Amino acid sequence: QQQVKQSPQSLIVQKGGISIINCAYENTAFDYFPWYQQFPGKGPALLIAIRPDVSEKKEGRFTISFNKSAKQFSLHIMDSQPGDSATYFCAASTDSWGKFQFGAGTQVVVTP
Amino acid sequence: GAVVSQHPSWVICKSGTSVKIECRSLDFQATTMFWYRQFPKQSLMLMATSNEGSKATYEQGVEKDKFLINHASLTLSTLTVTSAHPEDSSFYICSASGGRATDTQYFGPGTRLTVL
Repeated sequence: QQQVKQSPQSLIVQKGGISIINCAYENTAFDYFPWYQQFPGKGPALLIAIRPDVSEKKEGRFTISFNKSAKQFSLHIMDSQPGDSATYFCAASTDSWGKFQFGAGTQVVVTP
Repeated sequence: GAVVSQHPSWVICKSGTSVKIECRSLDFQATTMFWYRQFPKQSLMLMATSNEGSKATYEQGVEKDKFLINHASLTLSTLTVTSAHPEDSSFYICSASGGRATDTQYFGPGTRLTVL
């Protein structure tokens, strides 16, 4: 049973466009929600993370929106670039150093 | 950030042999290390959690006698795949947290295991 549901499975966006990836969770004890970026053959790298006490966090072109009442959070990639083509995973945990529950992943392709 | 390394980055072995993968935290003391496996185009599947000096806690369905995990120091954890078979071929990734690095899990670059 997947505790974090991620959608879409894949998406194609034009250069300069906005990529939006959504995740939903059930466990209200989750307190830490990171997003990871993974390139083929590489380990995941932390992009941005949020805690439920804020509704939005922005770092450069990456923004997390968090809706605690709906138990949903999303990643927005603004001004998408071909170098952003990768697989993105959301995750949730009861603490930042503990066990993560990962979403299924979204493969993003940014066309020139 | 904090840096986690893995060695080797890739390994090819014959069926029936054992393979050891190392995971090191280079600039922090990792009280907890996690081992994941990832199949092509799939998510990360947690195999086990290890705390320094303690026995690893394995996830349901993971054979602890097949995937031996040792976390003998605050900077090193090893995963040994015993009597490897082709179905064990996968991408193995470790992550670590602890010490000055409790803000998130820091992932290693992964190890590609191919069993012939």
